[in-house]
Amino acid sequence: AQSVTQLDSQVPVFEEAPVELRCNYSSSVSVYLFWYVQYPNQGLQLLLKYLSGSTLVKGINGFEAEFNKSQTSFHLRKPSVHISDTAEYFCAEKSLNTDKLIFGTGTRLQVFP
Amino acid sequence: DGGITQSPKYLFRKEGQNVTLSCEQNLNHDAMYWYRQDPGQGLRLIYYSQIVNDFQKGDIAEGYSVSREKKESFPLTVTSAQKNPTAFYLCASSTNRGVYGYTFGSGTRLTVV
Repeated sequence: AQSVTQLDSQVPVFEEAPVELRCNYSSSVSVYLFWYVQYPNQGLQLLLKYLSGSTLVKGINGFEAEFNKSQTSFHLRKPSVHISDTAEYFCAEKSLNTDKLIFGTGTRLQVFP
Repeated sequence: DGGITQSPKYLFRKEGQNVTLSCEQNLNHDAMYWYRQDPGQGLRLIYYSQIVNDFQKGDIAEGYSVSREKKESFPLTVTSAQKNPTAFYLCASSTNRGVYGYTFGSGTRLTVV
């Protein structure tokens, strides 16, 4: 069965420091990959997506992610975080043989001043 | 602007009462989904619908019911059979078999007392 693993449930970081949120997917067939952000008491907002092409994907709010097929990873990075980046981040995959997205359990990013 | 509207934002009900959560989209998306979110448990799929007048159970359908009489609308009823209904409920929609990901509503927080 498909699964998405977010290796860290919480990531604390100081403002202006770089951050990486890790995500590993399981599908052995072609996949589409997504990162979503959720602020408290709000829905999920799409940060970026990988459909095909360049393995480095740039998204909103200065985030980027790199698709690595050999390591089945899709880690999210930002070179310098802000207090406003404090939120929950979800990684998701969709393979060709299903219409449904499979979500990871989320990583809470806490940015400290 | 196109999007998904969930109403109400906050909902309080007495134990034993059925309650219906509204989800409306004007994106012309074919598929719609309901998720439940509890602290530390990520997103759990309750029901989904890929076309009008058809829907399928997700991972935690017990105690819930849905209908899809119109493409734009996918209401969720939380019945008295749901043992722990207090949670944050998210509605989402997608097109093109989910290739571009999901669009989420802003959620409804249901509290049963």
